[in-house]
Amino acid sequence: GAVVSQHPSWVICKSGTSVKIECRSLDFQATTMFWYRQFPKQSLMLMATSNEGSKATYEQGVEKDKFLINHASLTLSTLTVTSAHPEDSSFYICSARDLEGGSYNEQFFGPGTRLTVL
Amino acid sequence: QQPVQSPQAVILREGEDAVINCSSSKALYSVHWYRQKHGEAPVFLMILLKGGEQKGHDKISASFNEKKQQSSLYLTASQLSYSGTYFCGTEMGNTPLVFGKGTRLSVIA
Repeated sequence: GAVVSQHPSWVICKSGTSVKIECRSLDFQATTMFWYRQFPKQSLMLMATSNEGSKATYEQGVEKDKFLINHASLTLSTLTVTSAHPEDSSFYICSARDLEGGSYNEQFFGPGTRLTVL
Repeated sequence: QQPVQSPQAVILREGEDAVINCSSSKALYSVHWYRQKHGEAPVFLMILLKGGEQKGHDKISASFNEKKQQSSLYLTASQLSYSGTYFCGTEMGNTPLVFGKGTRLSVIA
């Protein structure tokens, strides 16, 4: 199956700082990537849909000025958590779909990034 | 709209079977099943697209009813490695997956 990588796998930062998380599709082009957040013992909650070359679409309740998403190429999307606070501590997971040729495929998930804000 | 998963949790002894259900109030385009181990990302199990579809590999299979509103995941002769949280993800049509709250499965020796 297709491979999606994330970097870093974990990060600890001080309150008020910004953190950037990268999501890459390694062996396919992803016109659309998705960012999820998962708190302990909870489900994955969609934060935003990232479209290559255009603005991301944010889910209701997700602050677009706080969670900056950039999808500059067909293989890379970044999520920047700005002015992070302890309540932003969570497991952030990206996913991507390979829609080449119009065929439908499963959504491939990255390994996740665990963010801890002190 | 978040799908409803049941049960919330189940404990099995090795070799026992389990069924996890996922339902929606509206007809779905597809349903995806994932298993997540603690601290790891979800791992794709299978996708169902057609009403009445049944598919599987090894001892894990799934079905999708004719109305495309309910799917079930079947785990037979469970193994210790099956432990984890199972999520169904549903979509209405080329939309992001919306995940259920998950079913925590514990397989004990």
